[in-house]
Amino acid sequence: DGGITQSPKYLFRKEGQNVTLSCEQNLNHDAMYWYRQDPGQGLRLIYYSQIVNDFQKGDIAEGYSVSREKKESFPLTVTSAQKNPTAFYLCASSKFGGIQDTQYFGPGTRLTVL
Amino acid sequence: AQSVTQLDSQVPVFEEAPVELRCNYSSSVSVYLFWYVQYPNQGLQLLLKYLSGSTLVESINGFEAEFNKSQTSFHLRKPSVHISDTAEYFCAVIRMDSSYKLIFGSGTRLLVRP
Repeated sequence: DGGITQSPKYLFRKEGQNVTLSCEQNLNHDAMYWYRQDPGQGLRLIYYSQIVNDFQKGDIAEGYSVSREKKESFPLTVTSAQKNPTAFYLCASSKFGGIQDTQYFGPGTRLTVL
Repeated sequence: AQSVTQLDSQVPVFEEAPVELRCNYSSSVSVYLFWYVQYPNQGLQLLLKYLSGSTLVESINGFEAEFNKSQTSFHLRKPSVHISDTAEYFCAVIRMDSSYKLIFGSGTRLLVRP
């Protein structure tokens, strides 16, 4: 089955620690995205990547970093500089990154800062 | 800048009743429009989208949405809801002028009661 996997499902972090969220897809999609979801709000774009070794900041990139070394993988690091990291994080991918392409979402990772 | 407004944060409805979830957008350029559904603790799934052509689009599970350009709306409707339709519904737009960014509304929680 093709799809997007995110791990872990739940993640707890102490203040001051960096954590990395995993996102893998086997859909052979070129484009990948990271969103943050907070209660009562829609999704906000953190970073996106249209091809390997290239990525762009979204609306709320501060305190986050990404890499795109492989087509299938787009990990997100939440750094200690992120002031309010507790949220639900969703990874998505689309075939070419074009504006008509459907974005497919993974199941999400819920990050809680203790 | 473009924005998406979902005025109703929660819509309670009895099973087999009709429902309408409202979505209005503002944009200086033409947009494509999407409805996504999110079941508890899961990622988002595409419900339907409007790219061009007929302004009425349908999903496989009985939902439909109509693009109204003059009113800048894309309301989602279903003539008879089921308990299983209980979920959060997000309206989203993407600009036609080469932006790859989905802009999401804040979501509407549909609560179907027996």
